[in-house]
Amino acid sequence: AQSVTQLDSHVSVSEGTPVLLRCNYSSSYSPSLFWYVQHPNKGLQLLLKYTSAATLVKGINGFEAEFKKSETSFHLTKPSAHMSDAAEYFCVVSVSTQGSYIPTFGRGTSLIVHP
Amino acid sequence: EAQVTQNPRYLITVTGKKLTVTCSQNMNHEYMSWYRQDPGLGLRQIYYSMNVEVTDKGDVPEGYKVSRKEKRNFPLILESPSPNQTSLYFCASSEGVSYGYTFGSGTRLTVV
Repeated sequence: AQSVTQLDSHVSVSEGTPVLLRCNYSSSYSPSLFWYVQHPNKGLQLLLKYTSAATLVKGINGFEAEFKKSETSFHLTKPSAHMSDAAEYFCVVSVSTQGSYIPTFGRGTSLIVHP
Repeated sequence: EAQVTQNPRYLITVTGKKLTVTCSQNMNHEYMSWYRQDPGLGLRQIYYSMNVEVTDKGDVPEGYKVSRKEKRNFPLILESPSPNQTSLYFCASSEGVSYGYTFGSGTRLTVV
């Protein structure tokens, strides 16, 4: 079984300040982990992924995430927020067992960026 | 351009009138999936398909059907839509567990 918890439903930051979106997961197997972004009235776009290579993963638009196995976390960060970062962000855990592939989505974190 | 194409983008229908939402991908992905997105509930998987003629239920399959006769197409069928199926629907495709999804732009369905 697998699960993912996004610890904040909303995060509010000022433009130019750091962003931290928190994600904890549980999995019986070695997981693949992803972050997606959804802008209003748009589909989801893959930001970055962790698949058992480097634990610090760089994604698009200046976002990064660090896989910490001991803390079962995969938090998303960005050094300096931009107005265009305002969106919904989803953390996803995925494992492959017995040929099946069922990703589990977190409930999302809404990032609000103030000017 | 690599993409997942869903149609229609918006649909308003009446209770009980059968409808189909189409989904097509041009990336030769084996894995395809349907999700619904509702406020406060995030994305929930309806059905998924590992390959042609191979489909299985996700978390919320009741009231939906799918088929996978060709690799590129994965239509979602609502035989008798009800108001509780009013939602935002996404189709997605993937090469596999390590690759992540490519999502369609979504279909906003309203059942009255």
